[in-house]
Amino acid sequence: DGGITQSPKYLFRKEGQNVTLSCEQNLNHDAMYWYRQDPGQGLRLIYYSQIVNDFQKGDIAEGYSVSREKKESFPLTVTSAQKNPTAFYLCASSIVERNQPQHFGDGTRLSIL
Amino acid sequence: AQSVTQPDIHITVSEGASLELRCNYSYGATPYLFWYVQSPGQGLQLLLKYFSGDTLVQGIKGFEAEFKRSQSSFNLRKPSVHWSDAAEYFCAVGARAGGTSYGKLTFGQGTILTVHP
Repeated sequence: DGGITQSPKYLFRKEGQNVTLSCEQNLNHDAMYWYRQDPGQGLRLIYYSQIVNDFQKGDIAEGYSVSREKKESFPLTVTSAQKNPTAFYLCASSIVERNQPQHFGDGTRLSIL
Repeated sequence: AQSVTQPDIHITVSEGASLELRCNYSYGATPYLFWYVQSPGQGLQLLLKYFSGDTLVQGIKGFEAEFKRSQSSFNLRKPSVHWSDAAEYFCAVGARAGGTSYGKLTFGQGTILTVHP
């Protein structure tokens, strides 16, 4: 079945540590997105990419980094510069054509040790 | 810049009752509009979408939504709620413009639906 796979489901970060969240899709979508979800704040866009080897900052990119070396993969690194990383992270993908809907993975919950 | 407001943070209804979740958007032209549903600890599932044409759109699980340009609203409705509808619901608006903003969605803060037996 086609879909988006996020791993791990739960992740713990120590102080000063960088962690990487994985997102893989087999939907053949060109665009991929990373969102952060906090209670009562909806989804906030961190980074997005419309094509391989290119990506743009979203609304809350500080303390995060991404890469897009393959169409299927869009990993997100939460760096030590992100002082409040505890949140639920969602990855999505879509066809970049006539604003097709985004399809979401099941998320990764990141907590601080 | 586009924005979405969901005025109700939490709504409680009885099973079998009708439901309406409100969504107001701000956008300079006719937007693309979406409703998504999220169960706890899960990703978002698309319920329905509006691009153009008929202003009343049907979605999955018996949901429908009506686009009202004059009120900048896109409210979600269901005639009879089931206990399994308890979840969080998000309204989202997408830009029609091209360039790097194409495909981006702006989400509302969400409405949590509780269903009493």
